[in-house]
Amino acid sequence: QVQLVQSGGEVKKNGASVKVSCKASGYTFSNYGLSWVRQAPGQGLEWMGWISANNGNKYYTAKFQGRVIMTTDTSTSTAYMELRSLRSDDTAIYYCARERKEADFDLWGQGALVTVSS
Amino acid sequence: DIQLTQSPASVSSSVGDRVTISCRASQDVANWLAWYQQRPGRAPKLLIYTASTLQSGVPSRFSGGGSGTHFTLTISNLQPEDFATYYCQQCKTFPLTFGGGTKVEIK
Repeated sequence: QVQLVQSGGEVKKNGASVKVSCKASGYTFSNYGLSWVRQAPGQGLEWMGWISANNGNKYYTAKFQGRVIMTTDTSTSTAYMELRSLRSDDTAIYYCARERKEADFDLWGQGALVTVSS
Repeated sequence: DIQLTQSPASVSSSVGDRVTISCRASQDVANWLAWYQQRPGRAPKLLIYTASTLQSGVPSRFSGGGSGTHFTLTISNLQPEDFATYYCQQCKTFPLTFGGGTKVEIK
């Protein structure tokens, strides 16, 4: 069925990097963009950026520019989000979400909890 | 960046009630606004797009309205499964942004 399946939760130390994967199935991967949205414990949703699965075009928000790298592998229909120089306030659930041409998100991964500790 | 302000932050209601949530944008987004429902421990779910279009499979007790800078999400005949947090999102321009959320709680 149509779904996004993310990698599991991770525990990292301050200053480390984390790479979360998001595998798409049930639809043509290259027909949509993928966004990454995070949610700190008890907080709201924060959009991190977007990547086109068609041509690799990207947009990162100013807050994450220089620390985040989004990539896709069309051969496996998988998107990746790498976040570097982790801090304790990066502790959050990281979601991938399929972005339609209306720029809304009609399909979400189950989320990956990244915990950053010293 | 376009800021979205939701109100109220939380509302207590009973099954069968009608609830209206407001979302105000700091700039004109025309009808480029979406609404999501998030139940505890779950990923968000798209309810409404382009301000008033019901996503496939979403019950008709959910409705969206507004344009420009003021939008509403209305839930008629509140059901037990509707107790959740609701977010608006502007789809007009990058960076995409979300409202702070409105928690609908059981009275």
